[in-house]
Amino acid sequence: ETGVTQTPRHLVMGMTNKKSLKCEQHLGHNAMYWYKQSAKKPLELMFVYSLEERVENNSVPSRFSPECPNSSHLFLHLHTLQPEDSALYLCASSQVWGDGYTFGSGTRLTVV
Amino acid sequence: AQKITQTQPGMFVQEKEAVTLDCTYDTSDPSYGLFWYKQPSSGEMIFLIYQGSYDQQNATEGRYSLNFQKARKSANLVISASQLGDSAMYFCAMSPTYSGAGSYQLTFGKGTKLSVIP
Repeated sequence: ETGVTQTPRHLVMGMTNKKSLKCEQHLGHNAMYWYKQSAKKPLELMFVYSLEERVENNSVPSRFSPECPNSSHLFLHLHTLQPEDSALYLCASSQVWGDGYTFGSGTRLTVV
Repeated sequence: AQKITQTQPGMFVQEKEAVTLDCTYDTSDPSYGLFWYKQPSSGEMIFLIYQGSYDQQNATEGRYSLNFQKARKSANLVISASQLGDSAMYFCAMSPTYSGAGSYQLTFGKGTKLSVIP
């Protein structure tokens, strides 16, 4: 399998649930990202990991918790989410400057 | 801080015609890169084309070309010979250029929805 794979593709969770989103890249990239895409809003960067260390955290609420156990895997742990957290969550990876990100297909999250 | 503006929420184009999607940007970084991505209804973001701020020539990739006007701070995407499969959301993005490889942050515009009419 190649590229960036995200699972699950769709997720419905209650506000008291705990769930995790998974991202896996098979490109040998050394940086990975979580983005949030809400309706009618630009993509928002949530977290950046470079060489498995978090280098960016754009004031994301603590109910979102990232984990990067190695350069190929990235998780987003979710707990006590709010309905406004419903969105498409996109994972991406990159290597060399100028090549652009490679995105996954996203996880469409609905919080009920 | 960086900002991307895409002023066209939606565009229609006849199949086989060319279309230009507008993008203007604002940044204080002396060196930066500009990107265009396509997002079909499936959700995946597909990288289309890249332009570096110091590149002398406009970037081209197959049917895609980037009309880069640095003084105007614009980076419009031109799609030639539109196809039905080009119907999608298109996002303009930019990032400062850091020395060395690794991570960098892309700032995205709100996107333009392109619909290709048979």
